[in-house]
Amino acid sequence: EAEVAQSPRYKITEKSQAVAFWCDPISGHATLYWYRQILGQGPELLVQFQDESVVDDSQLPKDRFSAERLKGVDSTLKIQPAELGDSAMYLCASSSRGQGLSETQYFGPGTRLLVL
Amino acid sequence: SQQGEEDPQALSIQEGENATMNCSYKTSINNLQWYRQNSGRGLVHLILIRSNEREKHSGRLRVTLDTSKKSSSLLITASRAADTASYFCATETGGSYIPTFGRGTSLIVHP
Repeated sequence: EAEVAQSPRYKITEKSQAVAFWCDPISGHATLYWYRQILGQGPELLVQFQDESVVDDSQLPKDRFSAERLKGVDSTLKIQPAELGDSAMYLCASSSRGQGLSETQYFGPGTRLLVL
Repeated sequence: SQQGEEDPQALSIQEGENATMNCSYKTSINNLQWYRQNSGRGLVHLILIRSNEREKHSGRLRVTLDTSKKSSSLLITASRAADTASYFCATETGGSYIPTFGRGTSLIVHP
């Protein structure tokens, strides 16, 4: 069964350092999402791509976060510089939503970030 | 801000019992989805119900939607220890197709 891949699974970094997360969606899924999930809360959407275009990034802290999906396939989320409050689980999901198909999102295992 | 809010925040039951959790939302929706998340893992889609539907079933899961009350419920029958997880509702509103998740219900099923 096809899965969304994410790496790394865990990342520990120091405050002010740069970190990057990678996501490879299910093949053929045009819509890709990045979420941040703080412990004990639900996922919060950071950015949504349709192919290589950003559909929504209104909740992305653009002074330190950036996301790209250059070829409309895999995606990278970067934080520079990292702050203590960025410690969270970063989830990637994909769907065929933008192709007028299923709204179901398929999630990767997530990257757990700890900023010291 | 979170559109959907699950209730209760935590639920502890014995294996074999039924578990019911609720989701309330504030604005009209296109659809509502329920997801499960095992500790430290990604979310798994359980069921989607559209705004013009009232009830859907999938195995031991039953979801209802009451648009007049802006609420949905997820019923898990004959619960198992493996059902222990957090359960989230996610709503899509208007034409944005941007899903908004609630804070979740933490379910513990004791063997």
